[in-house]
Amino acid sequence: AQKITQTQPGMFVQEKEAVTLDCTYDTSDPSYGLFWYKQPSSGEMIFLIYQGSYDQQNATEGRYSLNFQKARKSANLVISASQLGDSAMYFCAMREVNTGNQFYFGTGTSLTVIP
Amino acid sequence: DAGVTQSPTHLIKTRGQQVTLRCSPKSGHDTVSWYQQALGQGPQFIFQYYEEEERQRGNFPDRFSGHQFPNYSSELNVNALLLGDSALYLCASSRIDRGRYNEQFFGPGTRLTVL
Repeated sequence: AQKITQTQPGMFVQEKEAVTLDCTYDTSDPSYGLFWYKQPSSGEMIFLIYQGSYDQQNATEGRYSLNFQKARKSANLVISASQLGDSAMYFCAMREVNTGNQFYFGTGTSLTVIP
Repeated sequence: DAGVTQSPTHLIKTRGQQVTLRCSPKSGHDTVSWYQQALGQGPQFIFQYYEEEERQRGNFPDRFSGHQFPNYSSELNVNALLLGDSALYLCASSRIDRGRYNEQFFGPGTRLTVL
């Protein structure tokens, strides 16, 4: 079974609007971390936001917030006030604490911000 | 403070050849992980090195091997190259610190093309 599932291959959003990128995960480890990375065309993975499995509140980092629904095993990324520079690939990833530092990545969502 | 660096940036090899990719971790980091990212896919974990030993390995054949040096830098070696080895190879570093979420910082990657 896939550890991380991203069902949106491509998304479009109008500049200054908000957009939600979906991510569901699968794990039996009670202790895990969820991450979102941005990958521009240059290739480098840029860390955006983190959510721990025991965190009570949804994580926020500037214009990024993570909508964490533990019972549904979803960790959607919300980008508010989209900017042209947000156009990139976005990857959801998970690390299971009790099985080491390996990160599992989804297949990514390509976000295009329209002026 | 230098981030994760990788060399070379691009590489072209022919089938059957061998290749070595290099990675220097972010200052203060002691763990290096390698990922293979095929075109249009998410990164796939190859292996991780800590204290000069391979700690964890993904589902990759023995043609993929690595090394970590006392200064924490690392090499990824691929023998008997196949066309399917063409990909972006990403190095990520982190610091072992149990109880923390061990964010991984990624390098810019090495794009390998096998002809």
